[in-house]
Amino acid sequence: SQTIHQWPATLVQPVGSPLSLECTVEGTSNPNLYWYRQAAGRGLQLLFYSVGIGQISSEVPQNLSASRPQDRQFILSSKKLLLSDSGFYLCAWSVPGGDSPLHFGNGTRLTVT
Amino acid sequence: QKEVEQNSGPLSVPEGAIASLNCTYSDRGSQSFFWYRQYSGKSPELIMSIYSNGDKEDGRFTAQLNKASQYVSLLIRDSQPSDSATYLCAVHGSSNTGKLIFGQGTTLQVKP
Repeated sequence: SQTIHQWPATLVQPVGSPLSLECTVEGTSNPNLYWYRQAAGRGLQLLFYSVGIGQISSEVPQNLSASRPQDRQFILSSKKLLLSDSGFYLCAWSVPGGDSPLHFGNGTRLTVT
Repeated sequence: QKEVEQNSGPLSVPEGAIASLNCTYSDRGSQSFFWYRQYSGKSPELIMSIYSNGDKEDGRFTAQLNKASQYVSLLIRDSQPSDSATYLCAVHGSSNTGKLIFGQGTTLQVKP
């Protein structure tokens, strides 16, 4: 069966520090991969999605970036965090194609101080 | 106009009642629709998928889809306090990119 691992679970970082969140998927090949952010009391905002290695689509302009160095690995990064980057970051995967649901990791709670 | 709209609630129902959650979407070409449940502080969990007009039942949950009206709903029968959560409606766009667009979610409170 497929599983998705996301870490760390919680993170407290000062403003201006770098960020690296990692997500890996097991039990499937060539998944679509996604990074979402959920601000407190808000809906899910799609940040990045990827349909293959090295293929990243950005949905919103921001100081975040994403990379997919391996088929089942997705990394979210920032060189300098802002206070507004605080939130709940969720990695998700889906079967390739346009009709499949997304399956989420447990998320990372990021607080920028 | 938002792509996927839900009433944020909270929707409060007594234990044992039917909870009805509604969602509208703007992309007339959308073909796949999902309901997720999200407990406070947790990640969303898929509870229902629906692709065709009509009703789809799974245990106490029934999803209803009306593509002509661009409307999808979720009914929860015999609501339990453990059903108290935020329910997210999600829709795949017609562009077949694999992107899933989420509504803001409806908070459901089931009171014992």
